[in-house]
Amino acid sequence: AQKITQTQPGMFVQEKEAVTLDCTYDTSDQSYGLFWYKQPSSGEMIFLIYQGSYDEQNATEGRYSLNFQKARKSANLVISASQLGDSAMYFCAMRELNTGGFKTIFGAGTRLFVKA
Amino acid sequence: DAGITQSPRHKVTETGTPVTLRCHQTENHRYMYWYRQDPGHGLRLIHYSYGVKDTDKGEVSDGYSVSRSKTEDFLLTLESATSSQTSVYFCAISESIGTGSYEQYFGPGTRLTVT
Repeated sequence: AQKITQTQPGMFVQEKEAVTLDCTYDTSDQSYGLFWYKQPSSGEMIFLIYQGSYDEQNATEGRYSLNFQKARKSANLVISASQLGDSAMYFCAMRELNTGGFKTIFGAGTRLFVKA
Repeated sequence: DAGITQSPRHKVTETGTPVTLRCHQTENHRYMYWYRQDPGHGLRLIHYSYGVKDTDKGEVSDGYSVSRSKTEDFLLTLESATSSQTSVYFCAISESIGTGSYEQYFGPGTRLTVT
């Protein structure tokens, strides 16, 4: 069964430093997609980055990069040069493309606090 | 920003009453989803739709029903609200579900309190 685990309920980082948010997943499907979403205190869900299981290179979007280690089944989000506006809840998610149908499952989230 | 609205945005209701939440999209996306968000659980899928009148259950569907009579509208009904259904409800849409990103775009959420 598909499962997403985010083991860090809360993280602190100093402004302008890099931070890594952990995500591990479990799936028996060979074809899947991994997503990260940001949820600021205002409540909306914002898509950040996507990694396909067959993508050979790690995905990057501006200051966000996804450290994809397929053998370890991990998909960590790296935020470089943290900003105060990065303080938010971050969710890792996965969709199995062959067996998952329409379902995307989410981890419990990591709350990031950026200190000035 | 994807055109997704949810109504109402906030609602307080009493145990045992029926409640309907509405999701409306202007993107003409085929797939629509209802999630609930609770502390410690992330987002959990309640129901989803893959076309007009085509719906199916997610992982936490008990006590909920949905309907989709038009591409743009997806309704979530709590048949008889219970306190355990106090939550924030998100609607989401996606263009496709195949290979490629096809990320989900989320509505602003509805905060429902059942007293």
